[in-house]
Amino acid sequence: AQRVTQPEKLLSVFKGAPVELKCNYSYSGSPELFWYVQYSRQRLQLLLRHISRESIKGFTADLNKGETSFHLKKPFAQEEDSAMYYCALSGRAGGTSYGKLTFGQGTILTVHP
Amino acid sequence: DTGVSQDPRHKITKRGQNVTFRCDPISEHNRLYWYRQTLGQGPEFLTYFQNEAQLEKSRLLSDRFSAERPKGSFSTLEIQRTEQGDSAMYLCASSLQQVAGGPDTQYFGPGTRLTVL
Repeated sequence: AQRVTQPEKLLSVFKGAPVELKCNYSYSGSPELFWYVQYSRQRLQLLLRHISRESIKGFTADLNKGETSFHLKKPFAQEEDSAMYYCALSGRAGGTSYGKLTFGQGTILTVHP
Repeated sequence: DTGVSQDPRHKITKRGQNVTFRCDPISEHNRLYWYRQTLGQGPEFLTYFQNEAQLEKSRLLSDRFSAERPKGSFSTLEIQRTEQGDSAMYLCASSLQQVAGGPDTQYFGPGTRLTVL
């Protein structure tokens, strides 16, 4: 079974402070991890994916298979980063291809001026 | 706008009525997904199509729910005999299957908010 846990429902930081949104997963096969973001009144959109190993809007995330974590980090938070963030997992097992996403419950990030 | 579109954006219905939602994916995408999201939760997978074939259905998808993608383009999700517990945001996403078998990137629509009175 696939499971994603985001332990923090709410996270508040001040502008310029570092931010880390935690994500832990459970999956026995080959997982791929994603971070999706939803800004106020906008649709869900991809922020970054593990396989791309890129930094988007200053955010990075490292897949730690030993700790089964995929935490999202940014060294200096900006007010425009305030949004809902979802960690998601897509799994492949038994020769099947990747398909559905399993999402965590989400973390609301608020960056104060 | 070439993104995923959903219609209607909002639907209010009385318990026991049938409702149908439509999703139009990004034109070249061969995969289409349906998710449901309730307040305070992340999206939960319902079903997905590859072209016109329905490849997976969640246990969440009771017999009252049916989804179709008859020509491999748009999709409809129908809920029969709606219940108050069906009230949620219904999200559609589309993607292009990766030839090498890697994970595809899913692009989401704005969702249809269903309220069952």
